Amino acid sequence: QTVVTQEPSLTVSPGGTVTLTCASSTGAVTNGYYPNWFQQKPGQAPRPLIFGASNKHSWTPARFSGSLLGGKAALTLSGVQPEDEAEYYCLLYYSGAWVFGGGTKLAVL
Amino acid sequence: QVQLVQSGSELKKPGASVKVSCKASGYTFTSYAVNWVRQAPGQGLEWMGWINTYTGNPTYAQGFTGRFVFSLDTSVSTAYLQISSLKTEDTAVYYCAREQSADIDSWGQGTLVTVSS
Repeated sequence: QTVVTQEPSLTVSPGGTVTLTCASSTGAVTNGYYPNWFQQKPGQAPRPLIFGASNKHSWTPARFSGSLLGGKAALTLSGVQPEDEAEYYCLLYYSGAWVFGGGTKLAVL
Repeated sequence: QVQLVQSGSELKKPGASVKVSCKASGYTFTSYAVNWVRQAPGQGLEWMGWINTYTGNPTYAQGFTGRFVFSLDTSVSTAYLQISSLKTEDTAVYYCAREQSADIDSWGQGTLVTVSS
């Protein structure tokens, strides 16, 4: 059973920078896993942020960026805003199936 | 604009069935796959599988075979998720989401299915 692992929680100060990561139990995450990132706030549907590891949607704020870092997919928030407090999920593709990470709860304090 | 509008909340008894709809608008329905995602109360997102809207071929994730059925009515640009023999542990919000070329870019608002006696 494939497991995708994210940090359970992170805390960042307003204006700061934070990197969330997404690791695969099968080994290094590459572009072939087509990492997607989503933001979810309580009571809302997930909001797509990043696809294909580093591609932004037209609505994705510039302070969000995706990359591959040290064998993991990564989501970096630079100049964090209070409204960035949310749960963040990564999603990886494995030969016909997608697997979500467990989510990272980001607190902005 | 692209929209996926899901049917409303459902309250069902154990053993019953439920059918959730996901109506697409603002794009060519058969050009994008539809994925289904479950979120149990207070839990994370869980990928249930997807349906090819061009061929109608469904693919189910492990743990979502047997009682779960994905279907389509392309004449009304709608995808369906049917769950039979409902159990209390099926209580969750179910989302549809469209995908093209590994880009999942639009989600429905979610449908809460509550299973309780």
